[in-house]
Amino acid sequence: GIQVEQSPPDLILQEGANSTLRCNFSDSVNNLQWFHQNPWGQLINLFYIPSGTKQNGRLSATTVATERYSLLYISSSQTTDSGVYFCAVAGRMIKAAGNKLTFGGGTRVLVKP
Amino acid sequence: DTGVSQDPRHKITKRGQNVTFRCDPISEHNRLYWYRQTLGQGPEFLTYFQNEAQLEKSRLLSDRFSAERPKGSFSTLEIQRTEQGDSAMYLCASSPQITQYFGPGTRLTVL
Repeated sequence: GIQVEQSPPDLILQEGANSTLRCNFSDSVNNLQWFHQNPWGQLINLFYIPSGTKQNGRLSATTVATERYSLLYISSSQTTDSGVYFCAVAGRMIKAAGNKLTFGGGTRVLVKP
Repeated sequence: DTGVSQDPRHKITKRGQNVTFRCDPISEHNRLYWYRQTLGQGPEFLTYFQNEAQLEKSRLLSDRFSAERPKGSFSTLEIQRTEQGDSAMYLCASSPQITQYFGPGTRLTVL
């Protein structure tokens, strides 16, 4: 099946700093989503971005599908940005009806005041 | 749109007992997914429904696990004869087509 790798595994930031999280995947995808998992375990949708660039406030994401990677940018980080960020993909070659997500191992972000 | 809801949020049980979890998807989402997440790992796919039909099951879903989605609305996930290795967060997601929206999860602890 498709493989998803995220880096770095851990990230400690000072409040106000910028950061870049990376997601590499091993095959063509028809779905790529970035999530933020809060301390209570809720997965919050950040972006649906199988290709291209999107921005939402201080967050933006870029997926280069031909090179099989995606980047999540956090600008002017705040303590509320702490948590685990997951990249998840659905491979293009699986049954079209399924679209099951394969998750990376996550990047654990701690923003210090 | 009230989001995906799951019940209960926490469940503590003794080894060997049966447990059942419920997921209520976003209304009109015909696709529903179950995932399991263990500590420090990303969620892993368990099973998928389109309407009431269970179309895909992971090898992680042993014969002690069963899932249903009667009438294509809410779904239940039952674990029979629980084992300590079943301790995990069980996540439900629904989707109108591609983008998946997750519920808050049910955290299971097997003593």
